Amino acid sequence: AQSVTQLGSHVSVSEGALVLLRCNYSSSVPPYLFWYVQYPNQGLQLLLKYTSAATLVKGINGFEAEFKKSETSFHLTKPSAHMSDAAEYFCAVSGSAGNMLTFGGGTRLMVKP
Amino acid sequence: KAGVTQTPRYLIKTRGQQVTLSCSPISGHRSVSWYQQTPGQGLQFLFEYFSETQRNKGNFPGRFSGRQFSNSRSEMNVSTLELGDSALYLCASSLAAAGGRETQYFGPGTRLLVL
Repeated sequence: AQSVTQLGSHVSVSEGALVLLRCNYSSSVPPYLFWYVQYPNQGLQLLLKYTSAATLVKGINGFEAEFKKSETSFHLTKPSAHMSDAAEYFCAVSGSAGNMLTFGGGTRLMVKP
Repeated sequence: KAGVTQTPRYLIKTRGQQVTLSCSPISGHRSVSWYQQTPGQGLQFLFEYFSETQRNKGNFPGRFSGRQFSNSRSEMNVSTLELGDSALYLCASSLAAAGGRETQYFGPGTRLLVL
């Protein structure tokens, strides 16, 4: 069975500050890991994914995430927050059986001017 | 290339009714998955179809069903609606069922309100 835990359902940062959104996973098989972003009244947009190549993954809009097997973590970071980054972020894991994603509970990012 | 489209975008039904939601995947994509999003339960996997066959199914009652057509378009049906079925239903498509590493592209969702 797979599971994802996102620490902090709400994170608030100032514009220009570092963004750090935490994700820990549990998987009995080598995982594929994803970060998605959801803006109000929209679907999910892929930010980045880890599929067992480089452990540091760069995504869109300046986001990146590092896969750390020893810590079972896949935290999302961005060096400098922008007002347009305010949204809800979801970490997800899939295994080897089809395209079933297991999502974390989500983290709502608020960016203060 | 057009993205994933879902119809209708908004729907209001009453308890006991049934509803059918439609999803058109990105052209060339053969795998379609459905997810339910609620404030209380978050995002939960419903089922996945690939080449008209259900590959995976989540932990939902039999009132939730789906199908996929030869052109990869998919529909999901919920019978005997309950208040707790109120949710955003998201459809996602991917190129192929390649063992979990495929990127899933999500549609805007259908927001269902059950009164």
